[in-house]
Amino acid sequence: DVKVTQSSRYLVKRTGEKVFLECVQDMDHENMFWYRQDPGLGLRLIYFSYDVKMKEKGDIPEGYSVSREKKERFSLILESASTNQTSMYLCASSLSTSGRFRDTQYFGPGTRLTVL
Amino acid sequence: AQSVTQPDIHITVSEGASLELRCNYSYGATPYLFWYVQSPGQGLQLLLKYFSGDTLVQGIKGFEAEFKRSQSSFNLRKPSVHWSDAAEYFCAVGESGNDYKLSFGAGTTVTVRA
Repeated sequence: DVKVTQSSRYLVKRTGEKVFLECVQDMDHENMFWYRQDPGLGLRLIYFSYDVKMKEKGDIPEGYSVSREKKERFSLILESASTNQTSMYLCASSLSTSGRFRDTQYFGPGTRLTVL
Repeated sequence: AQSVTQPDIHITVSEGASLELRCNYSYGATPYLFWYVQSPGQGLQLLLKYFSGDTLVQGIKGFEAEFKRSQSSFNLRKPSVHWSDAAEYFCAVGESGNDYKLSFGAGTTVTVRA
C-alpha cells in the first residue's frame, strides 16, 4: 500500500512564526502536491513538484514556499504565519505516467494548522 | 478554466437506503472526472475515475458513477449505504492540457442514520 505521512496531525503556531509542514511518501512517486482544505471551498492546490528540486505554483501560492531536496519528501513552508492560513493542509503524491493528473493521487491524513 | 459544483452540502441517508451525490462541471472539452472520499480523520481516497469509454464507471466500496455529457454531470451512486459510508465526498475534474491540476468541488458530507 502507498503510504503518505505528514509530520503532525495538529499544529498550533503564533502569527509571524515560520512554519514547516513535512510530507513523506514511500512509493517512489515523482509527483507530490500540497493542498489546502477549507469548509465550503474544497481543496485548493498550493504547490506541486514533479521531480526533485522542481516545483510549480498552484492556485494559491501566496504566503507559501516549498522544498523538495529528496524524492520522498516535500515540505511546505509558511514564511510568516498569519491567521488566515489557519486551515487543514493535505499532502498527496502520484506516480508519473503519460497522463500526469490522471494518475491516482494518494493523500496523507492532513495537518490541521491553527495560527493564533 | 474548469469549475466543479457539488450542489448538496450535506445529505442524510438511512442505512440500507440508496445514495446519490451530484456533481456538475463546467469545461469545454471532455473532462477527466474523479470521485474521492474522506473519512473522518483520514486523507482522501480515490473511489473511481472516468477518462473515456463506458460512461458508467464502477469503483471501490460498491460505488458507481455515470458520466452524462449532455448534463455536464458525473453523479455518484450506491444502492445500499452502510454506516461506514459516512464521510465527505469530493468530485474533481482534470483538464486536458494542464497536466497536474485537479479542480475539486466543495464536497458533500454524508451522514448515515441507523
